[in-house]
Amino acid sequence: DSGVTQTPKHLITATGQRVTLRCSPRSGDLSVYWYQQSLDQGLQFLIQYYNGEERAKGNILERFSAQQFPDLHSELNLSSLELGDSALYFCASSVGIAGGPETQYFGPGTRLLVL
Amino acid sequence: SQKIEQNSEALNIQEGKTATLTCNYTNYSPAYLQWYRQDPGRGPVFLLLIRENEKEKRKERLKVTFDTTLKQSLFHITASQPADSATYLCALPGYSSASKIIFGSGTRLSIRP
Repeated sequence: DSGVTQTPKHLITATGQRVTLRCSPRSGDLSVYWYQQSLDQGLQFLIQYYNGEERAKGNILERFSAQQFPDLHSELNLSSLELGDSALYFCASSVGIAGGPETQYFGPGTRLLVL
Repeated sequence: SQKIEQNSEALNIQEGKTATLTCNYTNYSPAYLQWYRQDPGRGPVFLLLIRENEKEKRKERLKVTFDTTLKQSLFHITASQPADSATYLCALPGYSSASKIIFGSGTRLSIRP
């Protein structure tokens, strides 16, 4: 158990809908990362937050947004869903030492299926 | 842009042998490199981190080397066991932002009894 929790574990929805994925980092970690993993794409970095502020952005679609709240949990919002958004979405957390190696601890993931 | 290459073909080896996985990268010189293990449907799990000034790092049956001239890391599992079967990912800090961790596509390792 990494100490990172994600809810829900599974999500089935229809195209055009909007969903929210939730992540609670390990106790003491200030950084939260979101990744998308689909069969043909590998693990793709979406976005990182550090102590409530956006720190780094990857290839995140405009239909996707995220935020980190004062209690450090994070939410990833996916809207206008398309079939191609079906994937495993992972959250990871790290201590967040500036300039230091960032070993990440991953949650169990949310499996999203868009029908 | 930076690129990470791992052998996309699965590696199948006999139990007890040493498994060697390769990670090649291009276009920049990272300060460190990490290896993660991922089981099907689960999140990656951190295994080892090696810094640019370290040639080799060991942890139990695992060994990682880091050749900054060749821009390559090798990941070895000695005395392999069926329980070592998984996908192994290498990861580097991003070129434009060290906060980003970029993962390779992974190599699937299967250890047969």
